[in-house]
Amino acid sequence: DAKTTQPPSMDCAEGRAANLPCNHSTISGNEYVYWYRQIHSQGPQYIIHGLKNNETNEMASLIITEDRKSSTLILPHATLRDTAVYYCIVRPGGYNKLIFGAGTRLAVHP
Amino acid sequence: DTEVTQTPKHLVMGMTNKKSLKCEQHMGHRAMYWYKQKAKKPPELMFVYSYEKLSINESVPSRFSPECPNSSLLNLHLHALQPEDSALYLCASSQGSGEGGELFFGEGSRLTVL
Repeated sequence: DAKTTQPPSMDCAEGRAANLPCNHSTISGNEYVYWYRQIHSQGPQYIIHGLKNNETNEMASLIITEDRKSSTLILPHATLRDTAVYYCIVRPGGYNKLIFGAGTRLAVHP
Repeated sequence: DTEVTQTPKHLVMGMTNKKSLKCEQHMGHRAMYWYKQKAKKPPELMFVYSYEKLSINESVPSRFSPECPNSSLLNLHLHALQPEDSALYLCASSQGSGEGGELFFGEGSRLTVL
């Protein structure tokens, strides 16, 4: 499985956009980029995933570079409830294994 | 119903006890997972069941014994655990294989081994 690299921690002001980067330079053509988050003392929560095109849903946007070696998760208007650990994961399609890396601890402050 | 329900939420057991963790989902998912999470660490995959058959065992010690009685239920039987096995145990489910197979996680069972 391709490895990912994320900054260990980030800060964001409430109401501003939070941009969380992820490097996955060894990603293969059949591997998807997934983002999950884990709020303290809860189970991880799926956010979004993509293969090569940018994706948007009600929670976030995912921007994948053209060479697919990196991506950015965007929370457009961060709130205090978005304080969590965010995990970027690459995973082959049709594959049941989801392996978590260290993630980025995002702190949203007033 | 998009919930994965885990019981008990908290469990304290001695090293000679036998106990079980339970997980249930009613989303029609055919893949179910057990993860272990130590404090301030990411979840670590333990087992994957696909269509009620064990498909992945990440070299987990035999004192952890998974069981999938049917497509909605997943158990983790615990026996002769060590204090270092104390952790949050997370269950998850997904539709099965294929793109878009997001995992739905339960809230976890927090285990303390004395």
